[in-house]
Amino acid sequence: DVKVTQSSRYLVKRTGEKVFLECVQDMDHENMFWYRQDPGLGLRLIYFSYDVKMKEKGDIPEGYSVSREKKERFSLILESASTNQTSMYLCASSFLRLAMNTGELFFGEGSRLTVL
Amino acid sequence: QKEVEQDPGPLSVPEGAIVSLNCTYSNSAFQYFMWYRQYSRKGPELLMYTYSSGNKEDGRFTAQVDKSSKYISLFIRDSQPSDSATYLCAMTVNQGGKLIFGQGTELSVKP
Repeated sequence: DVKVTQSSRYLVKRTGEKVFLECVQDMDHENMFWYRQDPGLGLRLIYFSYDVKMKEKGDIPEGYSVSREKKERFSLILESASTNQTSMYLCASSFLRLAMNTGELFFGEGSRLTVL
Repeated sequence: QKEVEQDPGPLSVPEGAIVSLNCTYSNSAFQYFMWYRQYSRKGPELLMYTYSSGNKEDGRFTAQVDKSSKYISLFIRDSQPSDSATYLCAMTVNQGGKLIFGQGTELSVKP
């Protein structure tokens, strides 16, 4: 079974703190994604990566950065957390090759971040 | 206007009911359509996948795409309490392209 593991399920941080959210997948997927999920807004793409050391901005990258030093690991960084970044963060992965890609993203269980 | 619109509910139905969940979209270039199911405190998982217009059936679930109306539906027959979850529609222009998600509909099936 594909497994996408997010290191922290629940975090509470203070405004201005630096926050790291870690994600690891074990299926040798090329693509990895970070979304945030908010009530009434659905899933919004923050950043994604098609390869090691490669990153692309999604729809809402402001206030976030990412790191992909190894194929299986994709980290989301909040340089200076703010209260409007309180949200559920979901990591996902998928195959790059079209023949193998039905559009299925494999999601982790999410990291609920509260910024006070 | 959002590219994909989905009524967030919540929707509450009795066990055994037929459930209809819907999304509308504005981008006529969308060709690949998906439904994800998300249980409470879990990540979404793919439930149904369809290409272009038409119907697809899998057990108690039927996905329907009407590209002329820019409207997709998910029908659940003989709904069960275990179907209680949030259902998200998603769509993309190219296979493997960026997915655009709806807001999700929260469904509760009461015993």
